[in-house]
Amino acid sequence: AQKVTQAQTEISVVEKEDVTLDCVYETRDTTYYLFWYKQPPSGELVFLIRRNSFDEQNEISGRYSWNFQKSTSSFNFTITASQVVDSAVYFCALSEAGANSKLTFGKGITLSVRP
Amino acid sequence: EAGVVQSPRYKIIEKKQPVAFWCNPISGHNTLYWYRQNLGQGPELLIRYENEEAVDDSQLPKDRFSAERLKGVDSTLKIQPAELGDSAVYLCASSQGAPGAYGYTFGSGTRLTVV
Repeated sequence: AQKVTQAQTEISVVEKEDVTLDCVYETRDTTYYLFWYKQPPSGELVFLIRRNSFDEQNEISGRYSWNFQKSTSSFNFTITASQVVDSAVYFCALSEAGANSKLTFGKGITLSVRP
Repeated sequence: EAGVVQSPRYKIIEKKQPVAFWCNPISGHNTLYWYRQNLGQGPELLIRYENEEAVDDSQLPKDRFSAERLKGVDSTLKIQPAELGDSAVYLCASSQGAPGAYGYTFGSGTRLTVV
């Protein structure tokens, strides 16, 4: 069975601070995919990144960066120089490979960025 | 390209009443998912369709929930009768193929309130 743990529930930072959102996952598969989604107050789930289990390279996209470490089964997300618009709930999710796979979400982290 | 379209956006009903949600996936996406997101939680899978066939409905409370995907395109999720505990956001998602490889696209969701 697959599982995603987001131990942090709420994080509050002041604008321009850096913040890291933690994600730990469990799976028995050797091939799997990891995702991060953003859910702003409007409610839609906004796709941020997908990473497959064979690609451990860190990725940077603007102020966002992701650190994937298979050794610790973690896929952490860092926002550099946070902005008020980053305030949202952030979900980490896991999908095993294959046609029968499904997306399993963590419980989410509520990020509040104060001006 | 139009995204996943869901309606209605909000719905308030009294308990014991029926309710239905509609989803139109991205054109060409054979796989369609219904997820339920309770307050403060991550989305959880209710049912997955491959074309018109429900291939995973193990988490669907079949005593009151039903779903259909006629002609393998649009889908409807129904609750009859609704209970107070059904208050949640119901999300529809679609995928082109193996979802881990192609990713998932979510609709904006239907926020159901049962009073």
